[in-house]
Amino acid sequence: AQSVTQLDSQVPVFEEAPVELRCNYSSSVSVYLFWYVQYPNQGLQLLLKYLSGSTLVKGINGFEAEFNKSQTSFHLRKPSVHISDTAEYFCAVSDRNNNDMRFGAGTRLTVKP
Amino acid sequence: GAVVSQHPSRVICKSGTSVKIECRSLDFQATTMFWYRQFPKQSLMLMATSNEGSKATYEQGVEKDKFLINHASLTLSTLTVTSAHPEDSSFYICSATTATNYGYTFGSGTRLTVV
Repeated sequence: AQSVTQLDSQVPVFEEAPVELRCNYSSSVSVYLFWYVQYPNQGLQLLLKYLSGSTLVKGINGFEAEFNKSQTSFHLRKPSVHISDTAEYFCAVSDRNNNDMRFGAGTRLTVKP
Repeated sequence: GAVVSQHPSRVICKSGTSVKIECRSLDFQATTMFWYRQFPKQSLMLMATSNEGSKATYEQGVEKDKFLINHASLTLSTLTVTSAHPEDSSFYICSATTATNYGYTFGSGTRLTVV
């Protein structure tokens, strides 16, 4: 089975600063990779996903992530964050049968003015 | 885009009673639906996977007689928490997927409080 490790439980940054949220995965098979955002008391919203092709994936709200197979990583980045980006971010991995999606523990991004 | 509606968003029930949570895919047919539980400041823990017309597959440690899952149609799955206890209080989230929609679409979640 696959697993996901999010290396930072909390990331505080100032508004307009760049941010990187780290994600590493482990799997014995080829996988799909995802980043989701969760606002308080809400479900998860898909930010972006990597299925195949270009390793640099662009998502909504100005976020992007890069798939690095050799380092088994899928770090999420944004060049300039806003207060409204404050939320919980989850990295997830699923097998290529689209089953058995596993989530990381989450990273709490707090953007300060 | 794909939308999943989850209802109710919040429910408070007395200990010993049962609560039903609905998860509907509004604009697509969900071949597979998933139920997750999320404790405060923690990640989502998969409880069970259900395919339309089949019995749900429960994760290890999840009591299938306590958490009844029904996936009777391609657009509706229900989770019933039977004989609820305060320790069942949590945030429950459903998600749905199809064979061609890589990734899951999530419902907005249900905050269950058992008093």
